[in-house]
Amino acid sequence: GEDVEQSLFLSVREGDSSVINCTYTDSSSTYLYWYKQEPGAGLQLLTYIFSNMDMKQDQRLTVLLNKKDKHLSLRIADTQTGDSAIYFCAEIGGSARQLTFGSGTQLTVLP
Amino acid sequence: EAGVAQSPRYKIIEKRQSVAFWCNPISGHATLYWYQQILGQGPKLLIQFQNNGVVDDSQLPKDRFSAERLKGVDSTLKIQPAKLEDSAVYLCASSLAGEFEQYFGPGTRLTVT
Repeated sequence: GEDVEQSLFLSVREGDSSVINCTYTDSSSTYLYWYKQEPGAGLQLLTYIFSNMDMKQDQRLTVLLNKKDKHLSLRIADTQTGDSAIYFCAEIGGSARQLTFGSGTQLTVLP
Repeated sequence: EAGVAQSPRYKIIEKRQSVAFWCNPISGHATLYWYQQILGQGPKLLIQFQNNGVVDDSQLPKDRFSAERLKGVDSTLKIQPAKLEDSAVYLCASSLAGEFEQYFGPGTRLTVT
């Protein structure tokens, strides 16, 4: 089946930029997503990118997509303590039309 | 706009017991999903409904899991009998028909002892 891989942990200092990376295997991915999950809460959609785009910016968030390398990244500018959470990369595409999630990256923002 | 509602939020049962989870999607959302999220992993789709019909249940362990959405609105997911490996958070999500954006509920954390 299709696979989505993420590094497990990332620590940054408050005010720095965070970059969370993701790789996927489905070459027919249509949409790629970033979700945020805070402790005890469901998943919150942060942003998404269509597969024919290579960049999308939304306030402090920048998504970069390298379709050739099947690599997706999420950059958070001016990272705040409230950004501490687990970030999930997910993709949808092909005939399955169901979301496939990575295992999540735990972002810790240090004061 | 009210979000996806789920209950209960937490449940502790012993193995071989039964348990049921309830989900109320966002009003007007025809598509409803149940996911299982094991600790340290991303959510895995168990079943997808379009109105009250099943679209995809290929990853639902049908020997012990069942789900229904009788009137095309609320849904119930049942586990009977539960195993230790069923300990997880069960997430419900909904979306407008044909739309990719899914809205998630807070989940039900199940612990099987």
